[in-house]
Amino acid sequence: GEDVEQSLFLSVREGDSSVINCTYTDSSSTYLYWYKQEPGAGLQLLTYIFSNMDMKQDQRLTVLLNKKDKHLSLRIADTQTGDSAIYFCAATNDYKLSFGAGTTVTVRA
Amino acid sequence: EAGVAQSPRYKIIEKRQSVAFWCNPISGHATLYWYQQILGQGPKLLIQFQNNGVVDDSQLPKDRFSAERLKGVDSTLKIQPAKLEDSAVYLCASSLMGNYEQYFGPGTRLTVT
Repeated sequence: GEDVEQSLFLSVREGDSSVINCTYTDSSSTYLYWYKQEPGAGLQLLTYIFSNMDMKQDQRLTVLLNKKDKHLSLRIADTQTGDSAIYFCAATNDYKLSFGAGTTVTVRA
Repeated sequence: EAGVAQSPRYKIIEKRQSVAFWCNPISGHATLYWYQQILGQGPKLLIQFQNNGVVDDSQLPKDRFSAERLKGVDSTLKIQPAKLEDSAVYLCASSLMGNYEQYFGPGTRLTVT
């Protein structure tokens, strides 16, 4: 099955950019996602990218996809305290999502 | 538009007891998923329904877990009997048929003692 790996922790200063990285193993993955999970809450779909794209921008969020290296990243511009959460990378090629373990992002003043 | 609803939000049971979780998907979403999220891990798919039929239950421990989706709307996930390792958050998600965007409910946190 698909393996998705992420770094576990990221600490960033308020106002700086955050970059969260993810690697996956299945080169046939069609869609790649970023979800956000705040304490005690479910997963919120932030953005996703189709495998034939290499970049997608949505307000403060930029997703970069390097299909050759099977590497996905999420950049959050002007990081705010409300961005503190766990961010999950996920991949699919048949509606079944395979998730990474999540990156805990802590925003410090 | 109302989101995915789940209940209860929290449940504490003793091992060997049974428990059931309920999910109401977003209106019009034909596809429904149950995920198990163990602390410190990403969600893992347990079962996927399309309307009231099972599409994928390959990772559902069928000796103790069961799920149904009568009438193709609400769904119930049951565990009987529960084990300590079943302690987790159980997440329900839904999507439009043929759509890759899955929307998640708030989850049910199960603690088995």
